[in-house]
Amino acid sequence: EVELVESGGGWVQPGGSLRLSCAATGFTFTCCAMSWVRQAPGKRLEWVSAIGAGGSRTYYADSVRGRFTISRDNSKNTVDLQMNSLGVEDTAIYYCVKEEWSSDLPRFEYWGQGSLVTVSS
Amino acid sequence: EIVLTQSPDTLSLSPGERATLSCRASQSVSSSHLVWYQQRPGQAPRLLIYGTSSRATGIPARFIGSGSGTDFTLTISRLEPEDSAVYYCQQYHPWTFGQGTKVEIK
Repeated sequence: EVELVESGGGWVQPGGSLRLSCAATGFTFTCCAMSWVRQAPGKRLEWVSAIGAGGSRTYYADSVRGRFTISRDNSKNTVDLQMNSLGVEDTAIYYCVKEEWSSDLPRFEYWGQGSLVTVSS
Repeated sequence: EIVLTQSPDTLSLSPGERATLSCRASQSVSSSHLVWYQQRPGQAPRLLIYGTSSRATGIPARFIGSGSGTDFTLTISRLEPEDSAVYYCQQYHPWTFGQGTKVEIK
């Protein structure tokens, strides 16, 4: 059974930093690209960042580019999101997501339960 | 960036009724890249439909996806109480989501 477990969320002041981590089990981790998606209170889902299966290709939403860094450790089956220069607009639940691309049909196949990040003074 | 607009914002129906949810894109979307998710209160989203019309593993046949170009539809043929949730459409490249349609079961 696929399981994605996020950790590292919490409260931080504006301008601060936080690092989220996602531990993946139940599948061959090196198969798949991974993404982070966030959801601010009462707002729509927003894709934040993605990383290819090998870890060399990374992608970012315009709203976080230059502030967030995604990385993965294929030996530990983890994917991290380093978040710097946080603003109140970054307050959200952050979900770790396993991408699936079989049959050239991309989708977010499995989601973690989410980690709450609160940016407030 | 392609903007997805869903309608209606809220749908209130009785069990057994048919729900029709719309997702309109600001530009043409490949049918391979249109996805639907269900998010129940307090839970993470769950994959329902991908490639416009393919049901994910374990998704009941009452969930039907269709559409092409800029207009896509999720139909729930006979509502069950557990279908009460917010439904989001999504497209790829870059990934964007609609604002969601809330389905309430009377």
